[in-house]
Amino acid sequence: ETGVTQSPTHLIKTRGQQVTLRCSSQSGHNTVSWYQQALGQGPQFIFQYYREEENGRGNFPPRFSGLQFPNYSSELNVNALELDDSALYLCASSLPSSRGNTEAFFGQGTRLTVV
Amino acid sequence: AQRVTQPEKLLSVFKGAPVELKCNYSYSGSPELFWYVQYSRQRLQLLLRHISRESIKGFTADLNKGETSFHLKKPFAQEEDSAMYYCALRAKGGSGNTGKLIFGQGTTLQVKP
Repeated sequence: ETGVTQSPTHLIKTRGQQVTLRCSSQSGHNTVSWYQQALGQGPQFIFQYYREEENGRGNFPPRFSGLQFPNYSSELNVNALELDDSALYLCASSLPSSRGNTEAFFGQGTRLTVV
Repeated sequence: AQRVTQPEKLLSVFKGAPVELKCNYSYSGSPELFWYVQYSRQRLQLLLRHISRESIKGFTADLNKGETSFHLKKPFAQEEDSAMYYCALRAKGGSGNTGKLIFGQGTTLQVKP
């Protein structure tokens, strides 16, 4: 069984640019969630994808968008980057609640720095 | 409002001392609560969940609905317990939606030799 993998591990971007972060979910998991973790804070929910559709969104502006692919991997896209977007971005995969065990398995994260 | 509060940023104890990491929550409905742990240079991982009522690595946590708390306890701390601990609440979602996790700010547990 493979775990959740994210790429890249580190990234530096300039304010105003766009960035794409990638996540491969754990084998068999069709639900992917993205979280933003600012320094010294707990992770904050951005959105969740289930069967390739956005299925829940946190308090983030529309310039945060995502995709889920048929193999359940996912992308997080952020447009018009701002300095405050600098954070660790975490991806988590899980089974849907109908399957009982809904433990979320996290990737190692992508550290994004906006300068 | 749905919220998880961990009042202590840092908890420092000596090896062998009891540990209690505090967590309070605010949620309308029946909550599903978790403790996640992040060891140095490792990814966030589930430690335990309230519905399992299990003990993992000597840690236990009891859901107290009256006090809206889910404190994490261990009678005798070990040096390898040093890590960042996050309390989290799962907000129930719709069909097929496992629901978002709402995290507290985290507590760093430092166990001194």
